[in-house]
Amino acid sequence: LAKTTQPISMDSYEGQEVNITCSHNNIATNDYITWYQQFPSQGPRFIIQGYKTKVTNEVASLFIPADRKSSTLSLPRVSLSDTAVYYCLVGDIWNSGGYQKVTFGIGTKLQVIP
Amino acid sequence: EPEVTQTPSHQVTQMGQEVILRCVPISNHLYFYWYRQILGQKVEFLVSFYNNEISEKSEIFDDQFSVERPDGSNFTLKIRSTKLEDSAMYFCASREPGTSGYEQYFGPGTRLTVT
Repeated sequence: LAKTTQPISMDSYEGQEVNITCSHNNIATNDYITWYQQFPSQGPRFIIQGYKTKVTNEVASLFIPADRKSSTLSLPRVSLSDTAVYYCLVGDIWNSGGYQKVTFGIGTKLQVIP
Repeated sequence: EPEVTQTPSHQVTQMGQEVILRCVPISNHLYFYWYRQILGQKVEFLVSFYNNEISEKSEIFDDQFSVERPDGSNFTLKIRSTKLEDSAMYFCASREPGTSGYEQYFGPGTRLTVT
């Protein structure tokens, strides 16, 4: 499992775009990048996953440069309800016959300020 | 949108008692998981379950823990003799076959308090 490094916390004002960067220098060829979100007192929620370039869905965008040694989760125009912990995960998502566990780090605690 | 549900939302028990935490995974999911999160700490993997057997378990998942899929809809976690250090949020998760291993759907959790 590739080691990841992300900021412990970030603050942002409502309406701003937030970018959370995750470093994963030893990412392997078969590894994908996955982001989860966890609101206080709730279970984690899968939000986005990608291998290279850019992935976008209704929640966020994920930017992955060509060397794949880092990735950036982008949240457009955050609101107070985006206050949560965001986890970056890197691993071979198609390995182990699909049983694999998700190994969470401490994540980035995003606080959105009015 | 289908959701994983868990009951109860909060369970208080005395040390040494048995507890059963219940989960109803999303109906077409075949991979099931339990995780826990001690207050202020990381979410930790406990066990994965597929085809009616445990596929992987962590060192936390010792002989005091067991899992069962008693029928076609429920997935349970039993702690035989609870300890103070078992106090945590317990999350059930499930995954649909054919999706990536990291695309798991988590329930809202059961807060277990051992006194």
